[in-house]
Amino acid sequence: QKEVEQDPGPLSVPEGAIVSLNCTYSNSAFQYFMWYRQYSRKGPELLMYTYSSGNKEDGRFTAQVDKSSKYISLFIRDSQPSDSATYLCVGGDDKIIFGKGTRLHILP
Amino acid sequence: EAQVTQNPRYLITVTGKKLTVTCSQNMNHEYMSWYRQDPGLGLRQIYYSMNVEVTDKGDVPEGYKVSRKEKRNFPLILESPSPNQTSLYFCASSLLANQPQHFGDGTRLSIL
Repeated sequence: QKEVEQDPGPLSVPEGAIVSLNCTYSNSAFQYFMWYRQYSRKGPELLMYTYSSGNKEDGRFTAQVDKSSKYISLFIRDSQPSDSATYLCVGGDDKIIFGKGTRLHILP
Repeated sequence: EAQVTQNPRYLITVTGKKLTVTCSQNMNHEYMSWYRQDPGLGLRQIYYSMNVEVTDKGDVPEGYKVSRKEKRNFPLILESPSPNQTSLYFCASSLLANQPQHFGDGTRLSIL
């Protein structure tokens, strides 16, 4: 079983919709959780960083971690075409493990 | 500006011709890492370094070498490249291994 799993997509949603991206993980020792965004032909960039369970909000983005079910979510409100990218979820304890990424298309 | 710089950005070469991809960071980070990214396989770690003169294998180290003689630099060496090493390569750095990593913009290698 892979340590961090996410649906590869692509996920296509209309502009302005709420986007929900999800991951599951298997290692109960994970304490650190992150979301990265990767545009085509660019390196991944950190979007959200949370420690342990709970919610974290930053502008239109909300990260949610449920350690009891080993579930990580990223919500994007009022989605924009510029949000079209691949989103990588990450879990970690003494090192971080990347999921393979979900491709997101926001349709104008 | 905090950044991780990789060179070259693109390289087409032939089987067996030794090449080096350089990586430099200006954030005084202790941890540095190399990944390759292939369609459907995601990011796979090649080698990492916890500090100067400390390096270790990641998940896919075969065919690669690294060195960490200075804190800011972490070059990736392909002694005898083969076509299965054609990929998109990323260098990353962070304060510690479990902290958010800063990535370079990638190096696209094609081995013919």
